[in-house]
Amino acid sequence: GEDVEQSLFLSVREGDSSVINCTYTDSSSTYLYWYKQEPGAGLQLLTYIFSNMDMKQDQRLTVLLNKKDKHLSLRIADTQTGDSAIYFCAESFFSGGYNKLIFGAGTRLAVHP
Amino acid sequence: EPEVTQTPSHQVTQMGQEVILRCVPISNHLYFYWYRQILGQKVEFLVSFYNNEISEKSEIFDDQFSVERPDGSNFTLKIRSTKLEDSAMYFCASSTGAGGLNTEAFFGQGTRLTVV
Repeated sequence: GEDVEQSLFLSVREGDSSVINCTYTDSSSTYLYWYKQEPGAGLQLLTYIFSNMDMKQDQRLTVLLNKKDKHLSLRIADTQTGDSAIYFCAESFFSGGYNKLIFGAGTRLAVHP
Repeated sequence: EPEVTQTPSHQVTQMGQEVILRCVPISNHLYFYWYRQILGQKVEFLVSFYNNEISEKSEIFDDQFSVERPDGSNFTLKIRSTKLEDSAMYFCASSTGAGGLNTEAFFGQGTRLTVV
């Protein structure tokens, strides 16, 4: 079945790059997403990549997709304390006229001075 | 910027009671969803809703759950007789389309349901 796995914690120093990794099992997904959740807030869409792309860059964010290994990563350059949050990887399936997201458990990113 | 809003932010209820979680999706969106996250676990799909009917529901969405769009703006999730294991954060989401570019789901801030 569909499954998405992420490591649970990542700690980085302010100014360094953060790399959050995700693996997924179903190769029929159409889009892969990264959502951010700050304390007490909802799930905020950060960026996404279409399944036929292998890289997408958006300011400090770089998404890499390795379809062969079913591996997705999110790199945050020059990580700031405001980047501290939980980051969710999700794959989407377009089936039967609707879009369903399968989420990972989330990676808690802690940024320290 | 348009956003999905959910009320209440936190609901405490006694086991066996009915609860209704409310959501106001973004106004031009056509597809609506409920997800939930039990503490420390993954965000799980519950149900999708389009054109006033359920498109798909997960195994979690049993007969105790129902959804409704009563007035064209609100989208509600009802749990008829709550169980302790229903305690979770419930997220509402909406999207303009069912897939493809620019049809990503926008999520509300969640309602934390605690069943005691």
